[in-house]
Amino acid sequence: AQTVTQSQPEMSVQEAETVTLSCTYDTSENNYYLFWYKQPPSRQMILVIRQEAYKQQNATENRFSVNFQKAAKSFSLKISDSQLGDTAMYFCAGGGADGLTFGKGTHLIIQP
Amino acid sequence: DSGVTQTPKHLITATGQRVTLRCSPRSGDLSVYWYQQSLDQGLQFLIQYYNGEERAKGNILERFSAQQFPDLHSELNLSSLELGDSALYFCASSLTVPGDGYTFGSGTRLTVV
Repeated sequence: AQTVTQSQPEMSVQEAETVTLSCTYDTSENNYYLFWYKQPPSRQMILVIRQEAYKQQNATENRFSVNFQKAAKSFSLKISDSQLGDTAMYFCAGGGADGLTFGKGTHLIIQP
Repeated sequence: DSGVTQTPKHLITATGQRVTLRCSPRSGDLSVYWYQQSLDQGLQFLIQYYNGEERAKGNILERFSAQQFPDLHSELNLSSLELGDSALYFCASSLTVPGDGYTFGSGTRLTVV
């Protein structure tokens, strides 16, 4: 079983700024994946970025990148050059044998 | 279109009733997961099926049940509904377990009145 903790209920930054969302996790599994999902007001769950736990290299998808610290069980999301359309709930999640476990989410607001 | 189809999109029903939510996974995916998201809450894992067999259970109430059929579609049955069951119910699918990618449907919004 996994636990995922997001300690920032809400964050607000100005457009074009860089923002980092924090996430810590705990698991006893050796084979797992970590994800960040975005949930805009439409409530659709959109995959932002994925990290294989066995890979040391941090995943990057355009403006989105992660800082994966396996020993510290930390998995933060960095959004560069933030845009108004990035305003959404962001959920960190861990995928293991029992499926996907979510954190409680961070509400990110991008101010114009 | 994510490839995961959930029906219906919206459902309004009275307390005490029973409803069935349906999910068709993305083509080729063998595993189906059900999640409940109450207002302003995170996603609570309910249950997982893999190739027709129950694989894992989360915080699923005894009033709720699910199954995965031979064609891999899944149904979530909610009975004796209460006001607190009002939520957005998501289905997700993956090819492997653990999945290296989980694709979500657009959800079924259930309102119990």
